[in-house]
Amino acid sequence: GAVVSQHPSRVICKSGTSVKIECRSLDFQATTMFWYRQFPKQSLMLMATSNEGSKATYEQGVEKDKFLINHASLTLSTLTVTSAHPEDSSFYICSASGSGGQEETQYFGPGTRLLVL
Amino acid sequence: AQTVTQSQPEMSVQEAETVTLSCTYDTSESDYYLFWYKQPPSRQMILVIRQEAYKQQNATENRFSVNFQKAAKSFSLKISDSQLGDAAMYFCAYRRWDAGNMLTFGGGTRLMVKP
Repeated sequence: GAVVSQHPSRVICKSGTSVKIECRSLDFQATTMFWYRQFPKQSLMLMATSNEGSKATYEQGVEKDKFLINHASLTLSTLTVTSAHPEDSSFYICSASGSGGQEETQYFGPGTRLLVL
Repeated sequence: AQTVTQSQPEMSVQEAETVTLSCTYDTSESDYYLFWYKQPPSRQMILVIRQEAYKQQNATENRFSVNFQKAAKSFSLKISDSQLGDAAMYFCAYRRWDAGNMLTFGGGTRLMVKP
């Protein structure tokens, strides 16, 4: 149980375009989802926290107009990188926690590698 | 703010031997959760073990166990009978009891397993 999927696993896009990454909880209802960014050989950096039906809470230094987060249902959250630039290239990971015994623990998706040319 | 420190950037262990990864944290809270996550080369974060601060008994999961020292704010992970598949980055993480599940991660320890 507690499986989280992410799509796509890898994406290459041109500078200036937008990219959408989906995060789904497959076997539980995710009341809270998190988006992280991870640079090579570094730890995870929390970008934002989203609760179903509410606006996301962004960490300091994360541009909310650039990284749009939508958590429209209890099983789906999306991260849209708008007007992507090469410096946005990174590994993006989502995680989810929810109800029914999964409140305390975050379960992670497999990540999305974004390369902006 | 809470901080989590993993003082060992890299560790190495011989296959079948035991290794301990260290983690310390700083908090003024009395109730919280602690986690160890494993990130293999696939980069999928995998939950290894979880400890509730109110529990005195150390958590165990098969070959993985923790040494939770609440007064010392220490939370080390012991891997027994190390296997090649244990090679990965290991992250220690802290979560406040009521923090809406937000995790604070340590910097990670890269574990290498020698055959």
